[in-house]
Amino acid sequence: LAKTTQPISMDSYEGQEVNITCSHNNIATNDYITWYQQFPSQGPRFIIQGYKTKVTNEVASLFIPADRKSSTLSLPRVSLSDTAVYYCLVVQGDSNYQLIWGAGTKLIIKP
Amino acid sequence: GAVVSQHPSWVICKSGTSVKIECRSLDFQATTMFWYRQFPKQSLMLMATSNEGSKATYEQGVEKDKFLINHASLTLSTLTVTSAHPEDSSFYICSASGQLSTDTQYFGPGTRLTVL
Repeated sequence: LAKTTQPISMDSYEGQEVNITCSHNNIATNDYITWYQQFPSQGPRFIIQGYKTKVTNEVASLFIPADRKSSTLSLPRVSLSDTAVYYCLVVQGDSNYQLIWGAGTKLIIKP
Repeated sequence: GAVVSQHPSWVICKSGTSVKIECRSLDFQATTMFWYRQFPKQSLMLMATSNEGSKATYEQGVEKDKFLINHASLTLSTLTVTSAHPEDSSFYICSASGQLSTDTQYFGPGTRLTVL
């Protein structure tokens, strides 16, 4: 099974670009990578999902290198409200899939 | 994104009683629902996966007789914590999804359970 590893915490400042990397060395061919954001005492919220190369939506970009052993969530121009925990998820398999969650990265944005 | 609700949002109960938590997908049919538990300042812990009309699949170490899961319809799943004890106090979160591994999970707002 894949294992997902991400930094425990990160700090940054308002207006900066923040990159959070998740390692998933044993990712399999058909596995997808998804990132979620969670605020305290709330359920996680979907941010972005990808399989390879680069995916961009209105809130973030996801960079996945060719070997797919890692992925980087990029948050452009962060604000204080981006302070949250960010989770990397690898969904492994097809019909009987397994959810491999990272432990989460606590991102603190400072003024 | 899709909307998932949970009820109640918080509950306090006495030790030994049972508590039922409902998870509803309000605007789509959820073939698969997941139940998570989260202790303070800790990561999400998947408890079980339920598919509509089937028995839930529990993660290793999760007692299926203690955490009863029912997924009787495509819009409703329930988690019943039976004979709750203080160590069951936690934040319980459900998510709803389609059948495919690529389908996004939409999470409910969570239920805070406190067992006295």
